[in-house]
Amino acid sequence: AQSVTQLGSHVSVSEGALVLLRCNYSSSVPPYLFWYVQYPNQGLQLLLKYTSAATLVKGINGFEAEFKKSETSFHLTKPSAHMSDAAEYFCAVSDRDGGFKTIFGAGTRLFVKA
Amino acid sequence: GAGVSQTPSNKVTEKGKYVELRCDPISGHTALYWYRQSLGQGPEFLIYFQGTGAADDSGLPNDRFFAVRPEGSVSTLKIQRTERGDSAVYLCASSASGRAAGELFFGEGSRLTVL
Repeated sequence: AQSVTQLGSHVSVSEGALVLLRCNYSSSVPPYLFWYVQYPNQGLQLLLKYTSAATLVKGINGFEAEFKKSETSFHLTKPSAHMSDAAEYFCAVSDRDGGFKTIFGAGTRLFVKA
Repeated sequence: GAGVSQTPSNKVTEKGKYVELRCDPISGHTALYWYRQSLGQGPEFLIYFQGTGAADDSGLPNDRFFAVRPEGSVSTLKIQRTERGDSAVYLCASSASGRAAGELFFGEGSRLTVL
């Protein structure tokens, strides 16, 4: 069975500082990995997706994530936080060999201080 | 339509009543997913369809929950004999096939409150 663990339910950074949101996954088969973002009062939207082509994946709004198989991690980073990045971020894993049932982590809420 | 549409956006019902939640996916998307999200939690997988058939319904909590997608487009999530613990936001998502497979496009959800 697949699972995702997001370390830290809340992360607070200052505007301009590095954003690091942690995600570890468990999967018995090569996974697809995703980060989704949920802005206040909006639906979830895809930030980026890993499909085994390249281990460093770039997404929208300056975010990127690196797949590290040895660490079973897929941490999300952004070099410089902006106030508009304040949102809830969800890591997700999908079993591409068995269809695309997608399992989500519990989420990390990002706060950005001025 | 342009995006995934869910109706109703809000539903308040009494314990024991029957509820239907509707999802209209993005045109042409073959896969459709239902999730449930409680406050402060991530989306909890319920069921997903490939075309008209349920490819995986392992997340449905019990036999009070049922979902259909008779023509491979619109889907309805049905909850019988609602309980207070069913209160949550029910999310629908759809996905294309091919290179975009697995990329979920979400609706804004149906908030269910069981009194």
